[in-house]
Amino acid sequence: QLQLQESGPGLVKPSETLSLTCSISGGSISSTNYYWGWIRQPPGKGLEWIGSVYYNGNTYYNPSLKSRVTMSEDTSKNQLSLNLRSVTAADTAVYYCSSGFIGSFDYWGQGTLVTVSS
Amino acid sequence: EIVMTQSPATLSVSPGERATLSCRASQSVGSNLAWYQQNPGQAPRVLIYGASTRATGIPARFSGSGSGTEFTLTISSLQSEDFAVYYCQQYNNWPPYTFGQGTKLEIK
Repeated sequence: QLQLQESGPGLVKPSETLSLTCSISGGSISSTNYYWGWIRQPPGKGLEWIGSVYYNGNTYYNPSLKSRVTMSEDTSKNQLSLNLRSVTAADTAVYYCSSGFIGSFDYWGQGTLVTVSS
Repeated sequence: EIVMTQSPATLSVSPGERATLSCRASQSVGSNLAWYQQNPGQAPRVLIYGASTRATGIPARFSGSGSGTEFTLTISSLQSEDFAVYYCQQYNNWPPYTFGQGTKLEIK
């Protein structure tokens, strides 16, 4: 059973970079069976897809965030990372690591709340 | 970008009754639609993919239907654990994958 666990700072200052890591167990980040991604949810609001990485290395980002986002894989650690630059209060959200294989998101981490505040 | 619109925003139903939730896409997404359930403080859980296929372990009281731009999630006999927020998501035209704004299913 695939398990995902997000980690990273819970508080980030405005204009700085939000950095999160997703640790994967029960499966390999190099697997051709899955794609990996990040989804966020501002407090009391809905879900927003941030981006996804595919087994062939292709990465896709939400156009609304593309200029500020970078995602990467560390195959040696079986981890996925997220960097979101120049954050504002609007980036305050629960950030989820997620994975799927046909378009839906079938596995989710528990999520980590990141607050942007000085 | 495909916009997903869910209705109603809040649905009040009594336990044991049927609930019908709707999701509309701004353009056709074929059958490339998923439904999720989210309980407070928890991550979403996939219920349905391919518009009508139940995910592993999902009870038969959950069913999905529709194609193109109109979709429905039906819960045939509501149990206490079904009162939650439900989201639809399209994966036909991406990036970006897009979600509806959610329907809150509450106890009447």
